[in-house]
Amino acid sequence: SQKIEQNSEALNIQEGKTATLTCNYTNYSPAYLQWYRQDPGRGPVFLLLIRENEKEKRKERLKVTFDTTLKQSLFHITASQPADSATYLCALLSGGYNKLIFGAGTRLAVHP
Amino acid sequence: GAVVSQHPSWVICKSGTSVKIECRSLDFQATTMFWYRQFPKQSLMLMATSNEGSKATYEQGVEKDKFLINHASLTLSTLTVTSAHPEDSSFYICSARTSGRSEKNEQYFGPGTRLTVT
Repeated sequence: SQKIEQNSEALNIQEGKTATLTCNYTNYSPAYLQWYRQDPGRGPVFLLLIRENEKEKRKERLKVTFDTTLKQSLFHITASQPADSATYLCALLSGGYNKLIFGAGTRLAVHP
Repeated sequence: GAVVSQHPSWVICKSGTSVKIECRSLDFQATTMFWYRQFPKQSLMLMATSNEGSKATYEQGVEKDKFLINHASLTLSTLTVTSAHPEDSSFYICSARTSGRSEKNEQYFGPGTRLTVT
């Protein structure tokens, strides 16, 4: 069956360090993968999209890698700040590129 | 980015009653809208996909007669939870996309509606 797995344990890091979150998937062949941020009681907010032919994508302090051989994406936040504390979700398109399916998300806590 | 609103942001209703949740795309036309449900500390689960002017496509295990979806215009979709029960209590999130299949395929999400059934 198709699965999207993210580390369910919260990630606690010190301010200024780099946070790295992992997304693994099985039985998918996504053309692209997306990362979202979700704050408590709010809807997800789109952060980055990376295509299967792209190894890495950057946006300000964010970096995403996509390894279709390992079936894995890594999401990095450099110089992390307490304001980066949130749950980060990875998502893949399924159903003929029509449906966005989400992982359970990883909660990140950045401590001052 | 594009803005999607939901109304109400939270609602409490009694068991057996029906509740309607509205989802609007404020500054773009959404040919496709999606409804998700999220239980605490769990992932967003897709309930149904609706295209303007046609019937919604429901995911496996989602009762179409219980969760009525109407997408009558390019800016409005509604989800009605009929005969709600406490197990329907959840966070309902809608999402909108400008076209059915888009190369860029960004989806814009609403802020969610917290439903509590007592």
